Amino acid sequence: DADVTQTPRNRITKTGKRIMLECSQTKGHDRMYWYRQDPGLGLRLIYYSFDVKDINKGEISDGYSVSRQAQAKFSLSLESAIPNQTALYFCATSDPTSGFYNEQFFGPGTRLTVL
Amino acid sequence: QKEVEQNSGPLSVPEGAIASLNCTYSDRVSQSFFWYRQYSGKSPELIMSIYSNGDKEDGRFTAQLNKASQYVSLLIRDSQPSDSATYLCAATSNFGNEKLTFGTGTRLTIIP
Repeated sequence: DADVTQTPRNRITKTGKRIMLECSQTKGHDRMYWYRQDPGLGLRLIYYSFDVKDINKGEISDGYSVSRQAQAKFSLSLESAIPNQTALYFCATSDPTSGFYNEQFFGPGTRLTVL
Repeated sequence: QKEVEQNSGPLSVPEGAIASLNCTYSDRVSQSFFWYRQYSGKSPELIMSIYSNGDKEDGRFTAQLNKASQYVSLLIRDSQPSDSATYLCAATSNFGNEKLTFGTGTRLTIIP
């Protein structure tokens, strides 16, 4: 089984709809992250969480919200989707106690299209 | 100026040759550096991490770090068609700010 899973893998929605992307991990890592990837812009951090009670904004958090339901689950919501949120979304995890600084491991991604 | 910069390519290398991928970073506080491989439509896969000046080898991959020049590179020896992918360079600080900053990636094509 995959260590980091994301659902759904593909989603097409319409402008104004509320969308939730979910991430689950079995790696036992405390830290979880949400990124979006756009052609030519690379990976950009949306939100990150160092534990269940610690959630922080990344560089492009406007229009997004998150929920850390448990150590293993971190959800990303688009409250009112707009076309420029069309992108590939990745969840990632890391374990700072592993001895390596912030090696992050990525889920398979969700391709989101907003019409 | 982007904090982590890579030549976007595409970089074309004959099969069996050495592929050399380069990355520069602007934040002198950056301490840890990572190379990820990403196939089209797939997620980034960590292939190398480096923290100390010098070379680090793992199989056909060698990462090189020069903190004085703020330069990180990845060498792929005996390049194979399966190495064709986009390679992402990333940097992070170990001083409490542990967010990764990614470059935009270099697209590598291995020519059979």
